[in-house]
Amino acid sequence: KAGVTQTPRYLIKTRGQQVTLSCSPISGHRSVSWYQQTPGQGLQFLFEYFSETQRNKGNFPGRFSGRQFSNSRSEMNVSTLELGDSALYLCASSPARQENSYGYTFGSGTRLTVV
Amino acid sequence: SQQGEEDPQALSIQEGENATMNCSYKTSINNLQWYRQNSGRGLVHLILIRSNEREKHSGRLRVTLDTSKKSSSLLITASRAADTASYFCATPTRGGGYQKVTFGTGTKLQVIP
Repeated sequence: KAGVTQTPRYLIKTRGQQVTLSCSPISGHRSVSWYQQTPGQGLQFLFEYFSETQRNKGNFPGRFSGRQFSNSRSEMNVSTLELGDSALYLCASSPARQENSYGYTFGSGTRLTVV
Repeated sequence: SQQGEEDPQALSIQEGENATMNCSYKTSINNLQWYRQNSGRGLVHLILIRSNEREKHSGRLRVTLDTSKKSSSLLITASRAADTASYFCATPTRGGGYQKVTFGTGTKLQVIP
């Protein structure tokens, strides 16, 4: 069974640009969650999508958005990039919503550098 | 603020020794999970313990949960150099009408061959 696939692995963008990151969950998994990881803030929850609907959202500005498609693949978008958005962005898939107490399967992440 | 706080922040041991790391959390939970992260990579799910369980084993891993103290511990026995990684506890938290899984600050484990 293929794992969680995140693309691209690395990305360098300029301040003010926008970026789209992609995540393909494990086949059959309907929940996709996104996290931002930085040395200073650790792992911060961005949002969770389940059956194409955003269910949960973290404390991030509106520049961070996402969506989920009917095949459960998810994208997240960051507009008007700031230097502080440089981070490892991790996608995690789960068979069901987290309230049902399943562990996550994580992708390898996308390393975003904003210059 | 972080729901989970791991202790210690960093741990260095010799191969073959046991490693113990602790996690404290703030709110009531229905489960607690432990994950491992190798440098710059994604996290790997190690074990999930439910609130009605006190101890759980998986290979060389032993996890305990004390809901009265709001704490959990992860023990890695007979450590190997390949166990070098950061370890995180994760708990479901609810706020603002939604639930999310919150990760602790992590313990960085170094196993010296």
